[in-house]
Amino acid sequence: SQKIEQNSEALNIQEGKTATLTCNYTNYSPAYLQWYRQDPGRGPVFLLLIRENEKEKRKERLKVTFDTTLKQSLFHITASQPADSATYLCALDLDRYFNKFYFGSGTKLNVKP
Amino acid sequence: DGGITQSPKYLFRKEGQNVTLSCEQNLNHDAMYWYRQDPGQGLRLIYYSQIVNDFQKGDIAEGYSVSREKKESFPLTVTSAQKNPTAFYLCASSPGTRSGEQYFGPGTRLTVT
Repeated sequence: SQKIEQNSEALNIQEGKTATLTCNYTNYSPAYLQWYRQDPGRGPVFLLLIRENEKEKRKERLKVTFDTTLKQSLFHITASQPADSATYLCALDLDRYFNKFYFGSGTKLNVKP
Repeated sequence: DGGITQSPKYLFRKEGQNVTLSCEQNLNHDAMYWYRQDPGQGLRLIYYSQIVNDFQKGDIAEGYSVSREKKESFPLTVTSAQKNPTAFYLCASSPGTRSGEQYFGPGTRLTVT
C-alpha cells in the first residue's frame, strides 16, 4: 500500500532562517503533490501544487521541489516569521483521474522570534 | 463570502446515538470530501463525491454514511456502528477532476462518551 512520511518531530528554527520540511513517499508514482498549512483546530489551507514533470515551484517566500527518483518533496520557507508557525501537510494524488488524496501526518514548525 | 461551512464546531453525543455533521459550500464545486483527523495523524478519507447523487467510499467508510442530494451539501452521518467516532471531522471541496486544490471547512470536533 502507499505510504507517505513526514517528520513527526517538530522543527524549531529562529526567525529569519530558512525552514525545510521533508515529505517522502513509497509504492506510488503521483502525478502531483500538494502542500497545505494547518493551524490548531482549523482546516488545512492549500499552499502549493507541483506536478511530476516540474522540479521546482515558487510562491513568494515558499519553494517546493519534487524529485520523483528519490520519491521526495522538500518544502522551504525562506526568511521565516513567527506567523509561519503551524503544521504543514503534504498530500499526493491516489487517482490519476480524480482528485483523491493521501495525506501525510504533518510536521509542526515553530519559528522563534 | 464564498467558502465551506461546517456545523456545529463542537458536538457531543452519547454512545449508541447516530449523529449527522453538516457541510455546505457555495463555491459551485463539483467534488466534495469527508476526512477524519486524529491527534498526530494525517487526514484519512471517509467518503467522496464527484457529482450529485453519486459518492464513493474512502479508506475508512465503515460506520459512516453520506448523501449528495444537492451540489452544495454533503452531510456525513456517524452511526452507532462506528467503533471509535471521537475525532476531528473535516469537509472539503474541489472544482472537479484534476484541478488539484482542495478547499477545507473549519471542521467539527465530535466527542462521543
